[in-house]
Amino acid sequence: DQQVKQNSPSLSVQEGRISILNCDYTNSMFDYFLWYKKYPAEGPTFLISISSIKDKNEDGRFTVFLNKSAKHLSLHIVPSQPGDSAVYFCAAGGGGKLIFGQGTELSVKP
Amino acid sequence: DTGVSQDPRHKITKRGQNVTFRCDPISEHNRLYWYRQTLGQGPEFLTYFQNEAQLEKSRLLSDRFSAERPKGSFSTLEIQRTEQGDSAMYLCASSSPTSGSYNEQFFGPGTRLTVL
Repeated sequence: DQQVKQNSPSLSVQEGRISILNCDYTNSMFDYFLWYKKYPAEGPTFLISISSIKDKNEDGRFTVFLNKSAKHLSLHIVPSQPGDSAVYFCAAGGGGKLIFGQGTELSVKP
Repeated sequence: DTGVSQDPRHKITKRGQNVTFRCDPISEHNRLYWYRQTLGQGPEFLTYFQNEAQLEKSRLLSDRFSAERPKGSFSTLEIQRTEQGDSAMYLCASSSPTSGSYNEQFFGPGTRLTVL
């Protein structure tokens, strides 16, 4: 069973606009959520995280929102830049292993 | 460079051969994780250590797979009698509560395994 799902395999956005990447989870025991960015042939790079006791966390152009009642989180990138083009994974954890979604490939066009 | 390092970066082997990968975590990170990633999927958890103790193993980790972290620093992942289905990117990560949270895991570049 897929406990963490990213239902959009790809997203295309114009430079300067907002990118919104979505993620759903099923296990209410998860208490920490993360977003990673991955370029081809590299390992995932940690971007931003949020604890289940919060509903929003910001870091520069990146903001993560958590809706616990809907078991949904999203990553907002504003403004989007061509260098943001990569595969983005959401992940959920509870202090040990992380469970990852399938990834969303973001393409930011100049 | 104080990030997670993995060796080798690429490995091509023939079916039935044994392979071993090494991971060096970020210095002083006491947790070390192994994941496997195949094309079009997110990383899948294999196992993790806290210091030298192996705390959890996934059911994905068949008896052909063994991982060790004998001195609580670097770790090795061995696959015996490789099969074509073992072809994947093997990722190592490390974490420590002193650098944020155990949940904030920092990944190495991965070892790409191809089994012919």
